[in-house]
Amino acid sequence: EVQLLESGGGLVQPGGSLRLSCAASGFTFSSYAMNWVRQAPGKGLEWVSSISDGGSRKYYADSVKGRFTISRDNSKNTLYLEMNSLRAEDTAVYYCARGDSRLFDYWGQGTLVTVSS
Amino acid sequence: SYVLAQPPSVSVAPGQTARISCGGNNIGSKRVHWYQQKAGQAPVLVVHDNSDRPSGIPERFSGSNSGNTATLTISRVEAGDEADFYCQVWDNSPDHSWVFGGGTKLTVL
Repeated sequence: EVQLLESGGGLVQPGGSLRLSCAASGFTFSSYAMNWVRQAPGKGLEWVSSISDGGSRKYYADSVKGRFTISRDNSKNTLYLEMNSLRAEDTAVYYCARGDSRLFDYWGQGTLVTVSS
Repeated sequence: SYVLAQPPSVSVAPGQTARISCGGNNIGSKRVHWYQQKAGQAPVLVVHDNSDRPSGIPERFSGSNSGNTATLTISRVEAGDEADFYCQVWDNSPDHSWVFGGGTKLTVL
């Protein structure tokens, strides 16, 4: 059974940093692209970032480019999102999602990031 | 960047058919994927590549895509189908990006 478990969310001040993790199990992690998708309170889904199976290709939404960094450790079956210069508008539930470069076929339960003073 | 337009809400009585549209410029040339998100839960993929269903998704869920509109159709709607539905495509102009529609709230009357 595919399982994705996010962690690392919490309350952070504007301008601060946070690192999210996503522990994967139930599939061959190194064979799949992985993604972060977020959802602001009461709003729709927004793609944030994607990384290829080997980690060499990384893509970012314009709203986070230059501030967020996606990475993965295939030896630990773990996906990361390093978030810097956080803004109030980054407040959201952040979902880790497995992908095949076109879609998101399995999702974690999400971790809440709140940016507020 | 590519934009997907969905109606904010659709209402249907139990047993009837719900149709949720997703509009985009020449969307018929793209592969459209649909997600269902029930209240307080993570999204679930219900239709991929316009009309294919993942394992475990009921046959009541189907999709089509042509011209400037993709449609998710839910037959014999049940109370448990009430949820937000999102369409999504992959776009590579000008760079790789994954685009979601704004979402449609399906209400079962």
